[in-house]
Amino acid sequence: DTAVSQTPKYLVTQMGNDKSIKCEQNLGHDTMYWYKQDSKKFLKIMFSYNNKELIINETVPNRFSPKSPDKAHLNLHINSLELGDSAVYFCASTPTSTDTQYFGPGTRLTVL
Amino acid sequence: AQSVSQHNHHVILSEAASLELGCNYSYGGTVNLFWYVQYPGQHLQLLLKYFSGDPLVKGIKGFEAEFIKSKFSFNLRKPSVQWSDTAEYFCAVNSGAGSYQLTFGKGTKLSVIP
Repeated sequence: DTAVSQTPKYLVTQMGNDKSIKCEQNLGHDTMYWYKQDSKKFLKIMFSYNNKELIINETVPNRFSPKSPDKAHLNLHINSLELGDSAVYFCASTPTSTDTQYFGPGTRLTVL
Repeated sequence: AQSVSQHNHHVILSEAASLELGCNYSYGGTVNLFWYVQYPGQHLQLLLKYFSGDPLVKGIKGFEAEFIKSKFSFNLRKPSVQWSDTAEYFCAVNSGAGSYQLTFGKGTKLSVIP
């Protein structure tokens, strides 16, 4: 009965590769997010989608491209991976823009 | 733009000690305030939140927080910590009024020594 799920949980890859992380929520929420948590645990918002529409697009390299095929899914595709992309990526969802966010388990990305 | 400051980077306490973690935000309008906890190797979970009403908010696991509007603060407290409270604690603010952005502080690591 996982509310917000992400796959994969761990991702180890070489520089220059392209990879995707998938997120699904079964809570019926309209809004979904991607966050990046760096090695110092700092959480920074990357993107937000509301009903498949991009709402927030923070200063993120355009190698990162979110895709929302429906409001229950928000995937993150990363092109030409760099060492600095190594982090934990969290997906989250919320019923309204200002309410509690429910986080997924995270995807630990390691770029070698 | 809103910002959130958490004053303590790492707090080390013995079991049964009292806890207070500081959080200040910078935004002059209506805010929604949150404390999230991240246990080692796990995802973030909501501890408590304040939207309106009684400024003293009680959350799960014996935690509480007090919203002091004049000080732009939302400090987290627990009268007696346990070893299982060892975790990273994040304060976050949403400026409400249709804002989709939740701004997090840099987190405070709490280590509780048995």
